Amino acid sequence: EAGVTQFPSHSVIEKGQTVTLRCDPISGHDNLYWYRRVMGKEIKFLLHFVKESKQDESGMPNNRFLAERTGGTYSTLKVQPAELEDSGVYFCATEHPGSYGYTFGSGTRLTVV
Amino acid sequence: RKEVEQDPGPFNVPEGATVAFNCTYSNSASQSFFWYRQDCRKEPKLLMSVYSSGNEDGRFTAQLNRASQYISLLIRDSKLSDSATYLCVVARAAGNKLTFGGGTRVLVKP
Repeated sequence: EAGVTQFPSHSVIEKGQTVTLRCDPISGHDNLYWYRRVMGKEIKFLLHFVKESKQDESGMPNNRFLAERTGGTYSTLKVQPAELEDSGVYFCATEHPGSYGYTFGSGTRLTVV
Repeated sequence: RKEVEQDPGPFNVPEGATVAFNCTYSNSASQSFFWYRQDCRKEPKLLMSVYSSGNEDGRFTAQLNRASQYISLLIRDSKLSDSATYLCVVARAAGNKLTFGGGTRVLVKP
């Protein structure tokens, strides 16, 4: 079974620019989550999709972050405009309904300079 | 106060020794508990779920104490490959967001 794929693996952008991160989930996994680890802090929840619907976006830091999940397949997380404090590793995780099989992607390391 | 607290370590462990560490959680509504392992610059990977009765997976034993709201992980016969950061993770239920502790770093040395 293919895993959760994220790209890019690394992104370095200047403050004020826009970046879009993408996550391709495991086929058939309806639950998709975005998490973020800022340096020196624990991994924190950003939002949760069930298919194409946002189930919980309580962790989104502010309105500079926009997540979408087209047709319940891949998801994108756009940061516009990026700020220095947005630097960190962004993980996507998916889960098959009714199980605890959370599978994480390898993450996107975002550096805002 | 963080929802999930862990001793950051590092725990320096001689190869072959036993190491144990705990985490505490503050949300009494938490229903699901996990230990994840994270290697340097890699994604978290599920090590094991933690059940009320305690459970074992090879050299790893996890315990849950709901009354005191803590979870433990014990690693027996430590291998060099056990060196990693161990993340304590809780959730309210299946399909709910995961809440992570900051991780406990374990270094197994020859």
